[in-house]
Amino acid sequence: EAGVTQFPSHSVIEKGQTVTLRCDPISGHDNLYWYRRVMGKEIKFLLHFVKESKQDESGMPNNRFLAERTGGTYSTLKVQPAELEDSGVYFCASSTTGEGWNSPLHFGNGTRLTVT
Amino acid sequence: AQKITQTQPGMFVQEKEAVTLDCTYDTSDPSYGLFWYKQPSSGEMIFLIYQGSYDQQNATEGRYSLNFQKARKSANLVISASQLGDSAMYFCAMREPSRGATNKLIFGTGTLLAVQP
Repeated sequence: EAGVTQFPSHSVIEKGQTVTLRCDPISGHDNLYWYRRVMGKEIKFLLHFVKESKQDESGMPNNRFLAERTGGTYSTLKVQPAELEDSGVYFCASSTTGEGWNSPLHFGNGTRLTVT
Repeated sequence: AQKITQTQPGMFVQEKEAVTLDCTYDTSDPSYGLFWYKQPSSGEMIFLIYQGSYDQQNATEGRYSLNFQKARKSANLVISASQLGDSAMYFCAMREPSRGATNKLIFGTGTLLAVQP
């Protein structure tokens, strides 16, 4: 089966511009997560979708970040307007409904965002 | 608050030798799970091994084993017989079920392992 795919793999934008990241989870995975790693720091949770519904968005930094998952398939994460501190690697992960306690998340390769 | 600490920003190991990557955690919840992920230069996050807080034995997966010391709150990853392909960033992570259904993993800052020939 295809893994979690993310697009683009890299993005370089100027401060104030808008960027949209896309994540295609593993087919059939209802749970979709966004995480972010700022350089040199830990990977942090951003939000969690169950199908098209936002289950938990407590990790979203501010209202410049907007995540959607229309139809419960792929998800997008838009940053508008981007700031310098938004630079980092954005990871998407997915898992099945009813996952066991020891079930790992399946991560994508991440999108490296650089805001200049 | 729950926290994962990886004190080794970088490690070197000779090929074919064993290496231990440190991970300590802090939680007041008796139920939790600990994970290790590998991130090679290509970027993907690869799940390696899992240890549950109630597991009686240390987890093992091929050349990977987890040295779980519950009283010390440590969950060190041991890689035996290192290979050049083991060179990567390694992340320790924790999940607490009491914090709801969200699979909100808490990650450490990672350890960059370099395997030398």
